[in-house]
Amino acid sequence: GAGVSQSPSNKVTEKGKDVELRCDPISGHTALYWYRQSLGQGLEFLIYFQGNSAPDKSGLPSDRFSAERTGGSVSTLTIQRTQQEDSAVYLCASTLAGTSNEQFFGPGTRLTVL
Amino acid sequence: QKEVEQDPGPLSVPEGAIVSLNCTYSNSAFQYFMWYRQYSRKGPELLMYTYSSGNKEDGRFTAQVDKSSKYISLFIRDSQPSDSATYLCALVSGGYNKLIFGAGTRLAVHP
Repeated sequence: GAGVSQSPSNKVTEKGKDVELRCDPISGHTALYWYRQSLGQGLEFLIYFQGNSAPDKSGLPSDRFSAERTGGSVSTLTIQRTQQEDSAVYLCASTLAGTSNEQFFGPGTRLTVL
Repeated sequence: QKEVEQDPGPLSVPEGAIVSLNCTYSNSAFQYFMWYRQYSRKGPELLMYTYSSGNKEDGRFTAQVDKSSKYISLFIRDSQPSDSATYLCALVSGGYNKLIFGAGTRLAVHP
């Protein structure tokens, strides 16, 4: 596809359930980022992938959050035992590492934890 | 204190007005500065990207960086209703180029 895609676009879950959010970056983009956008905190960095490795996980808020990337392409963000404070829009961005730093964002997944 | 401060607005202006959006930051190590525009229920899209102090112009948009004051601005000339969106300043941080965002300013341009 031409841009970054994310699925699902919306996810409603019950407190305590696990959720998986998917990101398909732009083809050929080696760098991939996850961010979270919430009303109280704005847009915050979560994790960075270069290829399949994650050299910067400093933004993950707790050990309930994990992410992986396979084949240098698709990435999955997993939230275990979801809490109400996890409700936010989760955004994925990709870029060619070492270029102009422009990150191309997907439309996001809106997560609501009841 | 947050690394990047941005007035969240909202800001409401009439069509044709000049809009000024601003951010301040605390860490003088920041070298790259960006402005993103985000429409409702969409991902942010890059508007302007600057490296050095001074002005950079692109059509109706001008980005201004003053590193000595740690102050960045985005000016929109002849604002249009289609400019109604949230504008986020972003600073590039560290070797992995993660973005540190301001809170975003909601702008409404009314006809």
